[in-house]
Amino acid sequence: NAGVTQTPKFQVLKTGQSMTLQCAQDMNHEYMSWYRQDPGMGLRLIHYSVGAGITDQGEVPNGYNVSRSTTEDFPLRLLSAAPSQTSVYFCASRGEGAGNTEAFFGQGTRLTVV
Amino acid sequence: GNSVTQMEGPVTLSEEAFLTINCTYTATGYPSLFWYVQYPGEGLQLLLKATKADDKGSNKGFEATYRKETTSFHLEKGSVQVSDSAVYFCALRGSSASKIIFGSGTRLSIRP
Repeated sequence: NAGVTQTPKFQVLKTGQSMTLQCAQDMNHEYMSWYRQDPGMGLRLIHYSVGAGITDQGEVPNGYNVSRSTTEDFPLRLLSAAPSQTSVYFCASRGEGAGNTEAFFGQGTRLTVV
Repeated sequence: GNSVTQMEGPVTLSEEAFLTINCTYTATGYPSLFWYVQYPGEGLQLLLKATKADDKGSNKGFEATYRKETTSFHLEKGSVQVSDSAVYFCALRGSSASKIIFGSGTRLSIRP
């Protein structure tokens, strides 16, 4: 059972470049989300999705786009990378229902924008 | 809105010491509460959870009790080990929310 898989693990971008961080889960979870982790700031929610075709903004959505065309995949796009987007990015998923309260996380993508 | 405040770190303890990491929350209704742990170079893993008032979550010797009267969910362990060195995050999910809100994290280092 792979759980939540993120690719790539590491990436260096130049300012202004675009890229897509991939996230896939094989647990048939409805809820998926993207967080960024910065020193001293914990995890901040970027975007989230409650099901295929449905996305919404979190705390820090500017500079990022998402889409959810399938249940399994939730890619995060950086259209024009900026140094302020240097961070570690985590994708998470969670099932529906009262018993599915916890989120499962990927291993993270460490992004550096120079 | 919902929020989580946890003890700032870093926290450094000697092996076998008693550990407390404080966490308080603000939320309406009856949120679910969590502690996640992040080992170096890894993603977050669920350590324990509690879904209603007075519940005690426990795992790997760690415990936390959901205290609605003090809006707290403090993490405790009676005797820490070097292998417990990690960053610990307190988190909550509101009773009608899909989002999980995290605290800022507490880095714990254990000396042999």
